[in-house]
Amino acid sequence: GAGVSQTPSNKVTEKGKYVELRCDPISGHTALYWYRQSLGQGPEFLIYFQGTGAADDSGLPNDRFFAVRPEGSVSTLKIQRTERGDSAVYLCASSFQGEQFFGPGTRLTVL
Amino acid sequence: QKEVEQNSGPLSVPEGAIASLNCTYSDRVSQSFFWYRQYSGKSPELIMSIYSNGDKEDGRFTAQLNKASQYVSLLIRDSQPSDSATYLCAVQFSGGYNKLIFGAGTRLAVHP
Repeated sequence: GAGVSQTPSNKVTEKGKYVELRCDPISGHTALYWYRQSLGQGPEFLIYFQGTGAADDSGLPNDRFFAVRPEGSVSTLKIQRTERGDSAVYLCASSFQGEQFFGPGTRLTVL
Repeated sequence: QKEVEQNSGPLSVPEGAIASLNCTYSDRVSQSFFWYRQYSGKSPELIMSIYSNGDKEDGRFTAQLNKASQYVSLLIRDSQPSDSATYLCAVQFSGGYNKLIFGAGTRLAVHP
């Protein structure tokens, strides 16, 4: 079956702009996670959804970051007033029981 | 304080040798442990999961878990150049709402 998909694969934006990153999980996976990865580092947790609700948003760095999953499937990560420090690869993962499977990621570059 | 530690490497091994990758984690009640492989420019790919003390084998890969000593390792037998990648250790702590805490990864280079 299809794996986790993420769009866009690359996003270049200017400082201060708003961006949306989309994740489409594996069909039937109820849990969805967002991570971000900087060069030379492991992925860093941002937020976890179980169904439609955010069960753990403790990794969101500040209130410029927000994520939704309105129908319990596709999720959108939203970043307001982007800053150069937001540049990273944003990874989405989904799971049914335990093991998490990652999408290809969105490389965000803030100029 | 980092909760999952890995040597950054690079770990260089000749083709056909055993590569040994290690990971330690902080003193918290831990639940599940995962090894991911990440090729340059690609996303992490799950290769092994281990939940209880001891060894778990899958093909050329063996994961070893020792909760008393707080370490988990990955052995790759008969290493191939195609195994050259960064290997990420991830820990799921009890009470952590299922999120994974990753180490920074160990870069493995298998030379012919």
